[in-house]
Amino acid sequence: AQSVAQPEDQVNVAEGNPLTVKCTYSVSGNPYLFWYVQYPNRGLQFLLKYITGDNLVKGSYGFEAEFNKSQTSFHLKKPSALVSDSALYFCAVRDTDTGGFKTIFGAGTRLFVKA
Amino acid sequence: GAVVSQHPSRVICKSGTSVKIECRSLDFQATTMFWYRQFPKQSLMLMATSNEGSKATYEQGVEKDKFLINHASLTLSTLTVTSAHPEDSSFYICSASVSGAEGDTQYFGPGTRLTVL
Repeated sequence: AQSVAQPEDQVNVAEGNPLTVKCTYSVSGNPYLFWYVQYPNRGLQFLLKYITGDNLVKGSYGFEAEFNKSQTSFHLKKPSALVSDSALYFCAVRDTDTGGFKTIFGAGTRLFVKA
Repeated sequence: GAVVSQHPSRVICKSGTSVKIECRSLDFQATTMFWYRQFPKQSLMLMATSNEGSKATYEQGVEKDKFLINHASLTLSTLTVTSAHPEDSSFYICSASVSGAEGDTQYFGPGTRLTVL
């Protein structure tokens, strides 16, 4: 069965500093991996995804993530954090082995960027 | 592009009544739509997957008679919470997939907050 873990409930970063939000996954086949961001009382906004190809994926708002198969990780990164990046971030995985669309979401990591 | 809307954004109802939530893909045709439920400070829980013109596929533990899903067209899916009770109070979010391919991105609606008194 597929699963995804976000080991940090909260990440605190000063504005201008680099940020990392961690994500590890477990699937039986090859993974499709996604990052979404959620602002208060809003739905999720797509940031980026890894399907195949280059392990470094660039997405919206200057975010990027690196797929690391050996470590089964897909950490979200940004070189310079903005206060407006403060939000709830979800990592999600879809297992190609099971097929279909079932997407499992991590518990979420709340990012606080301090001015 | 790829905008998904939900209506209403917020609804308060009395226990025992039914509530319908609409999910629309505004600028694309969605082969597949999904309904999620999110509890406070928790992640999204997939309730069901809905394909246009066919019956929805419900996740284990989700009562299909309580949460009625209709996907009548490629741009509209509805979730009806029947005989709502206070424990059904939650944030309901829909999403839509553009092409139906497995690697496709899901685009999410803004969510509907349901409060059952």
